[in-house]
Amino acid sequence: RKEVEQDPGPFNVPEGATVAFNCTYSNSASQSFFWYRQDCRKEPKLLMSVYSSGNEDGRFTAQLNRASQYISLLIRDSKLSDSATYLCVVPLGGGTASKLTFGTGTRLQVTL
Amino acid sequence: DVKVTQSSRYLVKRTGEKVFLECVQDMDHENMFWYRQDPGLGLRLIYFSYDVKMKEKGDIPEGYSVSREKKERFSLILESASTNQTSMYLCASSFWAVKNYEQYFGPGTRLTVT
Repeated sequence: RKEVEQDPGPFNVPEGATVAFNCTYSNSASQSFFWYRQDCRKEPKLLMSVYSSGNEDGRFTAQLNRASQYISLLIRDSKLSDSATYLCVVPLGGGTASKLTFGTGTRLQVTL
Repeated sequence: DVKVTQSSRYLVKRTGEKVFLECVQDMDHENMFWYRQDPGLGLRLIYFSYDVKMKEKGDIPEGYSVSREKKERFSLILESASTNQTSMYLCASSFWAVKNYEQYFGPGTRLTVT
């Protein structure tokens, strides 16, 4: 099993829709998780962190399911500007160590 | 704003050439990283450094070396470039302890080896 697995997509959704993607991880000792966003031809940037049950930031909600070892990212009221690739990230060693394992990303395309 | 800069956006080199990719960060970060990003494979860690003159191998160090002579600068060296090293190379930096999961990336260098 890969350390971090994501559905590559693309997820094509209309503006205003709610969309969710999951990410599964293999290390049951992992304590913290992150979502990075990467726009086309740009560098990745940190979007959100998830430590326990979840985290909400405006239209974005990240949740953690430890029993099933997955995290999810929910985007409500999608905007055209949300179109990007979303990378699931898990620190190696399970803590907040500097070394990160990146998933291959889920591509989101929001359309008019 | 944190700024991570990379020496070139696009680079074309011939097989067997020695290639230097430079990365500079201006936030006094202790940690610096080199990744390559390929379709379907995602970001893979090549080398990283926790301090000046210190380096550690990542997941795919073969064919690469690094140098960190100053805190703000981290160089990736391809000793003898090969076509399978054609890729997007991304440099990143982060703090040692506080928020060390937040890595700041440079814009990337797209290297083509012919």
